[in-house]
Amino acid sequence: NAGVTQTPKFRVLKTGQSMTLLCAQDMNHEYMYWYRQDPGMGLRLIHYSVGEGTTAKGEVPDGYNVSRLKKQNFLLGLESAAPSQTSVYFCASSLAFAGGYNEQFFGPGTRLTVL
Amino acid sequence: KQEVTQIPAALSVPEGENLVLNCSFTDSAIYNLQWFRQDPGKGLTSLLLIQSSQREQTSGRLNASLDKSSGRSTLYIAASQPGDSATYLCALFMFSGGYNKLIFGAGTRLAVHP
Repeated sequence: NAGVTQTPKFRVLKTGQSMTLLCAQDMNHEYMYWYRQDPGMGLRLIHYSVGEGTTAKGEVPDGYNVSRLKKQNFLLGLESAAPSQTSVYFCASSLAFAGGYNEQFFGPGTRLTVL
Repeated sequence: KQEVTQIPAALSVPEGENLVLNCSFTDSAIYNLQWFRQDPGKGLTSLLLIQSSQREQTSGRLNASLDKSSGRSTLYIAASQPGDSATYLCALFMFSGGYNKLIFGAGTRLAVHP
């Protein structure tokens, strides 16, 4: 049981390049999330998904796209990377929210630098 | 808009000290409050979860309290150890902006030296 895994762990991009971050979970969770963490700030929600084939915008969605083609995977795409997207990206997953909070489990993070 | 503030931003203490980390928030309409630990280069590990109807939760040397009326939570660490060195984040779960979400503070970076 690996929990939540993220690929890659580190990446350096040039401005304008594109890339996809992969998140995988083996806990059969319905909900998945992408966050970014910047120095001196808490984690901020980029996009989330409440089930296979669904996605929704979070707090800071601009410049990112996501897809949830399979229940266990949640992909975060940067079509044209900008230096402002230099950050640490965290993926999380949880059971469905059904009148009560279900704990979110976090991956180890991807450190992205855009030059 | 909910704002979550953690004080202090950084803390350095000698081993064995009891210490308190603070988290304050501006909107008391929360479902629960959660404390996480983050080690360098690692993900977040949940430490304690306090439901909105609860006052405190305890796990080993950790005790977290919640006072919704004053918009405050504290994380108490007893007999601190070097292994407690990490960044501690508080997060509120609430309905805001049309969906349920976790809102994080910026964290307190703790260093416990032998």
